[in-house]
Amino acid sequence: DAKTTQPPSMDCAEGRAANLPCNHSTISGNEYVYWYRQIHSQGPQYIIHGLKNNETNEMASLIITEDRKSSTLILPHATLRDTAVYYCIVSYRNSGNTPLVFGKGTRLSVIA
Amino acid sequence: GAVVSQHPSRVICKSGTSVKIECRSLDFQATTMFWYRQFPKQSLMLMATSNEGSKATYEQGVEKDKFLINHASLTLSTLTVTSAHPEDSSFYICSAKPGPVTMNTEAFFGQGTRLTVV
Repeated sequence: DAKTTQPPSMDCAEGRAANLPCNHSTISGNEYVYWYRQIHSQGPQYIIHGLKNNETNEMASLIITEDRKSSTLILPHATLRDTAVYYCIVSYRNSGNTPLVFGKGTRLSVIA
Repeated sequence: GAVVSQHPSRVICKSGTSVKIECRSLDFQATTMFWYRQFPKQSLMLMATSNEGSKATYEQGVEKDKFLINHASLTLSTLTVTSAHPEDSSFYICSAKPGPVTMNTEAFFGQGTRLTVV
């Protein structure tokens, strides 16, 4: 079973920041937080991951609370192409034979 | 990032026939690959873990004789849906992580295969 809880859907105006929350209150000390997204009829796309510290890459920023029980994915300037289902997943990183377990995710709709 | 390729992207088959879906890691080797199934408006559900050179591990409720998995090399895993029925119509997705089991890395996904059984 997925160890994360996300709102089922969110809307965001084009050009604004999209902030997607995720609760993972039972996360273990060595588990990472991963974010993937799935655009309609495509395979999931990796976005970002983190353990304790906040992370930023060319796609997004990841803010993890100090107690690690929740996190927020931030898309700084959402575009229509960011419309997708976003999945927050917790998993051990050095586990090549452990699959990612997907929850229901958040369906983000970016509106013009 | 690393590239995982699936073929075909779409397939329509008649009920009772078998369909093979290929999953290739194009620029890395993968000891382990994973197969997921996704029904409309639902999340990805893990079907099985494919291990190079050994038998696949199936999730509870997934028929191993119906969904045959072969992982003959470090860059190729195949999923064969045998005696397909309309209820097998779904979106099938494979995933792989570069490197050996202990290597730190994220998972990469194929583009998916839309199977329609008529």
